[in-house]
Amino acid sequence: ETGVTQTPRHLVMGMTNKKSLKCEQHLGHNAMYWYKQSAKKPLELMFVYSLEERVENNSVPSRFSPECPNSSHLFLHLHTLQPEDSALYLCASSQDGQGVFVGANVLTFGAGSRLTVL
Amino acid sequence: AQSVSQHNHHVILSEAASLELGCNYSYGGTVNLFWYVQYPGQHLQLLLKYFSGDPLVKGIKGFEAEFIKSKFSFNLRKPSVQWSDTAEYFCAVKDSNYQLIWGAGTKLIIKP
Repeated sequence: ETGVTQTPRHLVMGMTNKKSLKCEQHLGHNAMYWYKQSAKKPLELMFVYSLEERVENNSVPSRFSPECPNSSHLFLHLHTLQPEDSALYLCASSQDGQGVFVGANVLTFGAGSRLTVL
Repeated sequence: AQSVSQHNHHVILSEAASLELGCNYSYGGTVNLFWYVQYPGQHLQLLLKYFSGDPLVKGIKGFEAEFIKSKFSFNLRKPSVQWSDTAEYFCAVKDSNYQLIWGAGTKLIIKP
């Protein structure tokens, strides 16, 4: 257990479904991240939240919608996904400064949510 | 834009062999450098990091890495690997833009 908990660990959904991934961190960190991990590719940063404000959105399709209701919780809402969205989605947190300094320090990752889109 | 290259996607070694995994980045200047490891079925975790000071960095489980600024490299080494080192290893670089750029990973398999 890393202090970052992700649920569900596995999710299978059809292209017309709506589902959500949840992340909770118990470390008192002030920044949270969503990454997409696909085989043989570098980790892709999707979203960054610092002090509950979104500071980065790396041109992610609108079928992915993040939500950060407080500094301990992060959601990724999924809607009308495509089969190529199948991947491992990782949540991470860090203790950083704001804005441009977000992510300057070490990331603590959750175990990931394995998403399969049929 | 900054990019990170890990030279091998797969490495297979026997126990007790020496290990060196390559990591090169494209832009100079001030950088922070990281190696993360993902053991089978487990979360990504930090292996070691370099921010400043001694360019030879020691991490957990006997791993070390050397920052060679002139070569834009941060190679990971271990003198004698164990079966339990089987994992995927990721190099990451944070440059002056504070963007964390990741390599594609190297899968290491240790034969017992």
